[in-house]
Amino acid sequence: GAGVSQTPSNKVTEKGKYVELRCDPISGHTALYWYRQSLGQGPEFLIYFQGTGAADDSGLPNDRFFAVRPEGSVSTLKIQRTERGDSAVYLCASSPQPASGIETQYFGPGTRLLVL
Amino acid sequence: AQSVTQLDSHVSVSEGTPVLLRCNYSSSYSPSLFWYVQHPNKGLQLLLKYTSAATLVKGINGFEAEFKKSETSFHLTKPSAHMSDAAEYFCVVSDQRAAGNKLTFGGGTRVLVKP
Repeated sequence: GAGVSQTPSNKVTEKGKYVELRCDPISGHTALYWYRQSLGQGPEFLIYFQGTGAADDSGLPNDRFFAVRPEGSVSTLKIQRTERGDSAVYLCASSPQPASGIETQYFGPGTRLLVL
Repeated sequence: AQSVTQLDSHVSVSEGTPVLLRCNYSSSYSPSLFWYVQHPNKGLQLLLKYTSAATLVKGINGFEAEFKKSETSFHLTKPSAHMSDAAEYFCVVSDQRAAGNKLTFGGGTRVLVKP
């Protein structure tokens, strides 16, 4: 079946601009996660949705970052006033409900964001 | 709080020889442990996971890992490396008692396989 998809695969923007990154989870998966992977590092947790609500947004670095999942399926990560330090690969993952410490997360290919 | 340390940032092996990727973790509660592999320009793929059943876990492509609580380790091994094993590998921990399954990744180990 179809896996997690993310669009765009690459995004180049200028410092100060607004960007939106989209994630389509596996059909039927109610848990959705965003991670950020900087060059040469492991992914870092940003935010977790269970259904439509953000259950844990403790990883968002500051208030320029925001994510939504209005219908409990597709999610959009929004970054305002982008900075060069936001350049990274943004990964989305989904898992079946209920999300717990033993569920496997299935990752998308990521969106590579470059802020000039 | 939980954390993961991958002891080697790079590992180089010859095709057909064993592979060992070392991982130590820290977790306040009952950990789940995972190994993911990332090939260039591809998504993270689960190799195997430990969730408190058997301590020796077998995964895909001939990989296995052993959970050693006394050593807080979860090293990944493969008896015979193949060229297709060249990739980056991540050791990952999550807390089984916490809702949400937030994953904490190690820094990664890049594996080079020489012919």
